[in-house]
Amino acid sequence: AQSVTQLDSQVPVFEEAPVELRCNYSSSVSVYLFWYVQYPNQGLQLLLKYLSGSTLVKGINGFEAEFNKSQTSFHLRKPSVHISDTAEYFCAVTKAAGNKLTFGGGTRVLVKP
Amino acid sequence: NAGVMQNPRHLVRRRGQEARLRCSPMKGHSHVYWYRQLPEEGLKFMVYLQKENIIDESGMPKERFSAEFPKEGPSILRIQQVVRGDSAAYFCASSNIGTEQPQHFGDGTRLSIL
Repeated sequence: AQSVTQLDSQVPVFEEAPVELRCNYSSSVSVYLFWYVQYPNQGLQLLLKYLSGSTLVKGINGFEAEFNKSQTSFHLRKPSVHISDTAEYFCAVTKAAGNKLTFGGGTRVLVKP
Repeated sequence: NAGVMQNPRHLVRRRGQEARLRCSPMKGHSHVYWYRQLPEEGLKFMVYLQKENIIDESGMPKERFSAEFPKEGPSILRIQQVVRGDSAAYFCASSNIGTEQPQHFGDGTRLSIL
């Protein structure tokens, strides 16, 4: 079975500052990794995904994430946040040969002016 | 709108009633997933369906919950004899064929039990 830990439940950050959201996973098999964003009262929107290849993955809205197999991490970063980035962010994994997503508990990002 | 469509967006039921949640996948998608998000928690997998088949229901509660994805029409998540603990946001996702295909989510149905 897989598990996902998002180490920070809330991250306050000032506008135009960088942000990093941490995600660690546990799995005995190969996995695919995803980051989703959830705005209030909405569904989840895919930010980026790692399937294979380059460990640095670029996504939408200026986000990127780095897959580190030895540390079983997939941290999400953005060099300069906007007020509109205020949302909840979820890291998720699925077995490379499976389908269901296993989610972390989420990280709430609050961008302050 | 070619996205995943869920309805209703909000549903209020009294204890003991039935709740029916509907999900129409993105055009061309043949895989449907249901997830539940309890207050202050992440999303938990419930069930994975393809047309007329339940592929994985390992996350479904053993009683009162059922799901279907008929040949024609939307996928339905049905909760019988609802209880207060069923209050949650229920999200549907769909994907195309292939395990590397990402899941696309609907806006969810927020179920409140009085």
